[in-house]
Parts: sequence; C-alpha cells; structure tokens
Amino acid sequence: QVQLQESGPGLVKPSQTLSLTCTVSGGSISSGGYYWSWIRQHPGKGLEWIGYIYYSGSTYYNPSLKSRLTISVDTSKNQFSLKLSSVTAADTAVYYCARTLSGYSDFDYWGQGTLVTVSS
Amino acid sequence: QSALTQPASVSGSPGQSITISCTGTSSDVGGYNYVSWYQQHPGKAPKLMIYEVNTRPSGVSNRFSGSKSGNTASLTISGLQAEDEADYYCSSYTSSTLEFGGGTKLTVL
Repeated sequence: QVQLQESGPGLVKPSQTLSLTCTVSGGSISSGGYYWSWIRQHPGKGLEWIGYIYYSGSTYYNPSLKSRLTISVDTSKNQFSLKLSSVTAADTAVYYCARTLSGYSDFDYWGQGTLVTVSS
Repeated sequence: QSALTQPASVSGSPGQSITISCTGTSSDVGGYNYVSWYQQHPGKAPKLMIYEVNTRPSGVSNRFSGSKSGNTASLTISGLQAEDEADYYCSSYTSSTLEFGGGTKLTVL
C-alpha cells in the first residue's frame, strides 16, 4: 500500500519561500510509471493543481505558479519536494502531495495534507 | 473562479440517484477523455472515484459512474447512502495544466 506524508513548516512569513517535502513509502519513486504531484486547497475552497515531477526529474508546472515554483525529487530518500518563493497570504492553504499514474489528473494516492499559513 | 463549473450543492434522499455536472470547454472536458472525480469528506484528503471519464478504481462502489457529453462531464451516484455525503470535485486535463471544478456539496437528506 503506497503512503505519502507531507512535512514542513506550518508557518511562513510573507515574501519568504515555502518548502515542503513528501515522503513516499510502500513503493519506490525511482521505479517509474508515476508522476508525483503537489495540489493545494485554500481554506474552505476548491483544489488547485500546483505541478508534478517524474522520477527522471522532468517537471510540469501550473502556468499561474511557474515563476515562483520549483519541484524536485530525491530518489535516494524516496522523497519529492516543493519550493514556492515570494509567498503572500494568498498562498495560505492545505498542501497535499499525491501520485498520478498517467499525469492526466487521476490522483490515486494522497497524503493527509498539511496546512501552511503565510503570516508575519 | 474555477475553470470547470459545478453546481454548488445537490441533495437527495437515501436510495435515490443524483447527478453532478462539470462544465468546461473544448480545451479541457470536451477535448480530452481525461476527466476525474474526487470525493472529499471534511478534514480528509480527496479520494479518486472516477478517472478517464468513466473508469472506477479498484475498491470504489459501482454505485458511482461517470459520463461525458460534449463539454460537460457528469458523476452519477445511485442508491444514495448517508456516507456519500461529502464534497465532490471534477478535474480535467488540458494541454497546459490540470484543472479542478469548484466543488459540489452533496447532502443526503
């Protein structure tokens, strides 16, 4: 059974960089075949796809966030990470990591989510 | 403002069937057979219920079904049960991004 777990600071100051890591267990990122994704949900709102990465390092980003976004993978630790720079209060959200088989919006395994608040 | 339009709420009585719509454009829902549906209970992560318009993942009840006509996709839940009460989100692949609908709150009366 694949499990994903997000980790990182729950509070980030405005203009700083939000950094989160997703640790995958029960399966190897380097075995290929899946895209590893970040999705967020603003409080009381809908879902927003942030981007995803393949084990090879190929990345696909939401155009609306691309200029501030870096997603990376560390296959030795079976982890992938999110860095979002120059954050504002509008980046306050629950951040989920998830797995997709095809890269076509079928996210079959999700982490439990972690709330990140941007505030001074 | 979500790219995909869903009704804010739907309701039904136990045993009934309901349908949730998800309207996009020819650039997303209408252009690709990559529409998915997610169920989200309060405080929980979303759960994949349907992918590629009408395919159920292993373990998902056959009471859930998906379809698409033109630029509108639909999720139908038959034989409503109390545990179906949740938020439902559609999503679609586009050539440049992945989009989600704004979500529909299903109330089981």
